[in-house]
Amino acid sequence: SQQGEEDPQALSIQEGENATMNCSYKTSINNLQWYRQNSGRGLVHLILIRSNEREKHSGRLRVTLDTSKKSSSLLITASRAADTASYFCATADGGGFKTIFGAGTRLFVKA
Amino acid sequence: DVKVTQSSRYLVKRTGEKVFLECVQDMDHENMFWYRQDPGLGLRLIYFSYDVKMKEKGDIPEGYSVSREKKERFSLILESASTNQTSMYLCASSPPATRMFSYTFGSGTRLTIV
Repeated sequence: SQQGEEDPQALSIQEGENATMNCSYKTSINNLQWYRQNSGRGLVHLILIRSNEREKHSGRLRVTLDTSKKSSSLLITASRAADTASYFCATADGGGFKTIFGAGTRLFVKA
Repeated sequence: DVKVTQSSRYLVKRTGEKVFLECVQDMDHENMFWYRQDPGLGLRLIYFSYDVKMKEKGDIPEGYSVSREKKERFSLILESASTNQTSMYLCASSPPATRMFSYTFGSGTRLTIV
């Protein structure tokens, strides 16, 4: 079964709005990462949050982590049409070899 | 600009053929990975390698093998291609576990078996 599961599966918003995606996982983790994938391309690493961190920012991205609920959220503020992509969360155990990816959230930003 | 390069963006092969997918990274990363991506299933790990000539099975290794003769190159081999191996294949690399865990991915190879 998937370790990281994103919610919603798909999201459609207007340009300028904020987009929030959620990720839930099942076991203890060392860190949680978010990746972006443009259609038909490889994944690009966006941000990593360690298990002892609660919030992290990078530009228009804000990630939160709640280890008690085994969940994370990715917020994209002031979205742009170029943010249209699939977003994946990935969780890593201590060894770093078993990074498990969820099925992703497809974000569509309408201009 | 550091990168992971996959040899083909699109590939069409016949059932029963032996298929080679090549991946090269220029970041001197120890770890390399092969995933396949299918709609609704996310990324599933096929094989990974943490050193030259070392390989470990991932979650779905059946029907695949790998080769890592040099640090920068990690090859995925479909021994006898079947239609259920039609998929997007993604290669990734990362530094050792003692450092940041982020992965660098290639652009992917969309493989169709006919």
